[in-house]
Amino acid sequence: DAGITQSPRHKVTETGTPVTLRCHQTENHRYMYWYRQDPGHGLRLIHYSYGVKDTDKGEVSDGYSVSRSKTEDFLLTLESATSSQTSVYFCAISVEGSTDTQYFGPGTRLTVL
Amino acid sequence: GENVEQHPSTLSVQEGDSAVIKCTYSDSASNYFPWYKQELGKRPQLIIDIRSNVGEKKDQRIAVTLNKTAKHFSLHITETQPEDSAVYFCAASRATGRRALTFGSGTRLQVQP
Repeated sequence: DAGITQSPRHKVTETGTPVTLRCHQTENHRYMYWYRQDPGHGLRLIHYSYGVKDTDKGEVSDGYSVSRSKTEDFLLTLESATSSQTSVYFCAISVEGSTDTQYFGPGTRLTVL
Repeated sequence: GENVEQHPSTLSVQEGDSAVIKCTYSDSASNYFPWYKQELGKRPQLIIDIRSNVGEKKDQRIAVTLNKTAKHFSLHITETQPEDSAVYFCAASRATGRRALTFGSGTRLQVQP
């Protein structure tokens, strides 16, 4: 599992509330990613990070922000959750070198009522 | 940006038959093409990948082929077994820059015993 954990694993929240999801890795990988998975859409990139304090937007970044103050932690924040953000969120890391293989965390199922 | 299309969306085969899933990509600079298997409620798991300097790669019952000129790649599973039943995703990325994956929308494979 490439030493990736996500917390919480499940969360139910109400529209308008802030939500923070955490991704933690133990192997010092530089690249980290947040994807969301919705039926019929595969996985879509929200934000990614290429180092501490270095982040950038993906294709579906509206309504989300991220922070990376330590190599091991990549946080995804929904400033004011909406029902359209109900989804399964996966964090991933990229193993640099001869392969750029991405490994995924176990996912967080978020429901916004 | 990159766009990956995947077909078919569902595939049903008899145990022991072969299954083929096809993907096309749009960005000629993409050079890394992984395939993930996702079981219900689980994280995507890498099953095989291929780089643009290789036309085919095999790992036991699974193989991937790549046609760079036509910008398409395919997953082949031979001698299918019930435990092959899952959703399969293709993806594409560049080995430089953000290295984020662009995913196809997935194929649900059902292997009938």
